[in-house]
Amino acid sequence: LAKTTQPISMDSYEGQEVNITCSHNNIATNDYITWYQQFPSQGPRFIIQGYKTKVTNEVASLFIPADRKSSTLSLPRVSLSDTAVYYCLVGKRYNNNDMRFGAGTRLTVKP
Amino acid sequence: DAGVIQSPRHEVTEMGQEVTLRCKPISGHNSLFWYRQTMMRGLELLIYFNNNVPIDDSGMPEDRFSAKMPNASFSTLKIQPSEPRDSAVYFCASSPPGLDTGELFFGEGSRLTVL
Repeated sequence: LAKTTQPISMDSYEGQEVNITCSHNNIATNDYITWYQQFPSQGPRFIIQGYKTKVTNEVASLFIPADRKSSTLSLPRVSLSDTAVYYCLVGKRYNNNDMRFGAGTRLTVKP
Repeated sequence: DAGVIQSPRHEVTEMGQEVTLRCKPISGHNSLFWYRQTMMRGLELLIYFNNNVPIDDSGMPEDRFSAKMPNASFSTLKIQPSEPRDSAVYFCASSPPGLDTGELFFGEGSRLTVL
């Protein structure tokens, strides 16, 4: 079971780029890295998923170094509405243990 | 396109009463997850179904909790008898087949308050 470690909280200001790093030293060869976002009073929402190098979508970028022992979620030019909790998960769906969420990173974007 | 549908959205009950939470997964999804979220314990995985079969219920707190999935479009989580410490937001999530990575799609949650 690949355990993840993230900062408990981060603060940023509108318009800045935010990078949240997740450590997963015990990641397995065929594990994927998935990030979710959760707003208050809502269920988590899938943001991005990757296996290696860099993945980009309309919401964020995910950077994964060659050793895959960590990953960085990058949110460009954040706004107040990006204030949320961000979770990093590592694993495979058919191993239900991998669908367990950690404490996440509480991002607060200030004006 | 309807997402995961949970009901009720809010429930307030008294200790000792039976509580039933319901979930309709996204059509075509074959995996279903029940989570519980509290400030103290965060988001906990309670039970996971695959093709309507419970795969792992090790996260279910105790015998007062039970979950069923009688068909691919419906699941229930039952608490009997309920206790104040069961107060939490309960989320249901589903996931499509064919992907090892399994993106989860969450419902809006059922907020339970046990007095």
